Amino acid sequence: DVKVTQSSRYLVKRTGEKVFLECVQDMDHENMFWYRQDPGLGLRLIYFSYDVKMKEKGDIPEGYSVSREKKERFSLILESASTNQTSMYLCASIALGIYTDTQYFGPGTRLTVL
Amino acid sequence: QKEVEQNSGPLSVPEGAIASLNCTYSDRGSQSFFWYRQYSGKSPELIMFIYSNGDKEDGRFTAQLNKASQYVSLLIRDSQPSDSATYLCAVTGTGNQFYFGTGTSLTVIP
Repeated sequence: DVKVTQSSRYLVKRTGEKVFLECVQDMDHENMFWYRQDPGLGLRLIYFSYDVKMKEKGDIPEGYSVSREKKERFSLILESASTNQTSMYLCASIALGIYTDTQYFGPGTRLTVL
Repeated sequence: QKEVEQNSGPLSVPEGAIASLNCTYSDRGSQSFFWYRQYSGKSPELIMFIYSNGDKEDGRFTAQLNKASQYVSLLIRDSQPSDSATYLCAVTGTGNQFYFGTGTSLTVIP
């Protein structure tokens, strides 16, 4: 039973293209996160959202933007893709408080920018 | 910048042994601590979380937290080859952010 889905498993784009990565969760969670994962650097937080239309910058927001128009959907946008944005992108959906143990990552999107 | 540090390994243990994974963190205000398992090419999967000092056991897994020393560890008893994966430590900071270590690669040798 899939809890968090991401729009693509693999994506290849060209430098300068606008890229949309979409994440959908079906658990009615308030908090959603976008990370990128690179070898030797671990998971780094790009943006997170704790409510519809709310967003907070993470550690590496430069070159990215996000959109959360509906509770279940959190989109990551690369305004003008660059080769240094080639990475694995992971979305997470988390319910904090008494349900903190219910945390799920999506399957990830491996993005290659040529 | 919150820092979460893990020994990158690789850590190799024989099947049936105890694997011990360690994590230190720099923010004394951190409240919640998590261990994730990540198989190669897959996304992380939560296996344990702990809030209070001491030990928390779940099957073959035991999480240990020492806030005074700012470390959290994960023990895997009776290690199995299927436990071979990268283990990520995560810590919550202010604003409900999660901070991850770079992970420790564990190999269980049959």
